[in-house]
Amino acid sequence: KQEVTQIPAALSVPEGENLVLNCSFTDSAIYNLQWFRQDPGKGLTSLLLIQSSQREQTSGRLNASLDKSSGRSTLYIAASQPGDSATYLCAVPVLRQGGSEKLVFGKGTKLTVNP
Amino acid sequence: DAGVTQSPTHLIKTRGQQVTLRCSPKSGHDTVSWYQQALGQGPQFIFQYYEEEERQRGNFPDRFSGHQFPNYSSELNVNALLLGDSALYLCASSFIFRGSYEQYFGPGTRLTVT
Repeated sequence: KQEVTQIPAALSVPEGENLVLNCSFTDSAIYNLQWFRQDPGKGLTSLLLIQSSQREQTSGRLNASLDKSSGRSTLYIAASQPGDSATYLCAVPVLRQGGSEKLVFGKGTKLTVNP
Repeated sequence: DAGVTQSPTHLIKTRGQQVTLRCSPKSGHDTVSWYQQALGQGPQFIFQYYEEEERQRGNFPDRFSGHQFPNYSSELNVNALLLGDSALYLCASSFIFRGSYEQYFGPGTRLTVT
């Protein structure tokens, strides 16, 4: 059974700091991993999707890495800003026979960037 | 291009009542999944619909049921509401691209059961 863990559960940093969020998963047989952002009471916004053949994916100040063999992914945020304050979730797909897929999520890391 | 839309935004119901939540997928998507997110938790998979059939179901009781229409939109129905059903309900749509899925989420429906 796939399980996803995110550490830390909460993180508070001053503006301008570079930071790393961690995600680990128990079953390394994944074909991609997604990082999402969630603002309070809102839906999920996809930030980055890394295919299993990739090791890194970048979008602006965000960089996500994937190490399948160790069951880990990291989300690096450069030069953090107060607007980055949100909960960050990682999710991995579990594919069933017939092509049906569900996402298994971690509980998220709540990030607060202080001005 | 409209993304995934959900209605209503918020809903307050009483224990024992029934509720219907609606979702319209992103243009070009044919698969709809529903997730329940309790406060402080990650989303939990409820079920997925494709070609108007339920393809996969998570660990939720039969009180949770769904439907997908020919235009790919979907409904989530919950009967005999319990206080524990209070949560954010998220709809996600997807399609296969190069053998891989990317799921796009709607804004969610906040259900409060009193």
